[in-house]
Amino acid sequence: NAGVMQNPRHLVRRRGQEARLRCSPMKGHSHVYWYRQLPEEGLKFMVYLQKENIIDESGMPKERFSAEFPKEGPSILRIQQVVRGDSAAYFCASSPGRTHSYEQYFGPGTRLTVT
Amino acid sequence: TQLLEQSPQFLSIQEGENLTVYCNSSSVFSSLQWYRQEPGEGPVLLVTVVTGGEVKKLKRLTFQFGDARKDSSLHITAAQPGDTGLYLCAGASGVGGSYIPTFGRGTSLIVHP
Repeated sequence: NAGVMQNPRHLVRRRGQEARLRCSPMKGHSHVYWYRQLPEEGLKFMVYLQKENIIDESGMPKERFSAEFPKEGPSILRIQQVVRGDSAAYFCASSPGRTHSYEQYFGPGTRLTVT
Repeated sequence: TQLLEQSPQFLSIQEGENLTVYCNSSSVFSSLQWYRQEPGEGPVLLVTVVTGGEVKKLKRLTFQFGDARKDSSLHITAAQPGDTGLYLCAGASGVGGSYIPTFGRGTSLIVHP
């Protein structure tokens, strides 16, 4: 009965490298959300995906950031040419679908440090 | 843009005290969630409220949804050190088919033994 899984839990990248963050939703969940969290700033929405579709990417920077949720395998958040300002905790959450309650189940997060 | 204001931002109390934290908005929500997040972990869902005036209890935690579905409160009775964490509220209106909840910035609670 696995919950939402994210890996790696900690990721260190040098400026200019690529960061790839993975998220496996709860079993039976077909919707994935990615959030970024900085201390004292709360959770900031980045992107909302269903299998093979990006539903809303209004919170994701237009450059260097991309996300996918393929038919098979985990959802991936990719950050190209990382900069120090990308250092943050990145959380994914899953939900069973378009339900009235909007409940989300979060993973443990990936803490990205850019040196 | 829907905004959720949480207050207080920080709360430091002694074990055994009672406390209430608030989540307020000018927007109407079809549902509202409360989460607790411990350091180094992801938020954990505590409760969902959907009906105006609804009250839900989870052991020593009491959650209330305002009659107009614009605000909510979380009351903790006889707080314990294990209650320490960041309490987040989140709401979504469903306007335009949006299924993206808005999160407040949270109330950081520390309960001292």
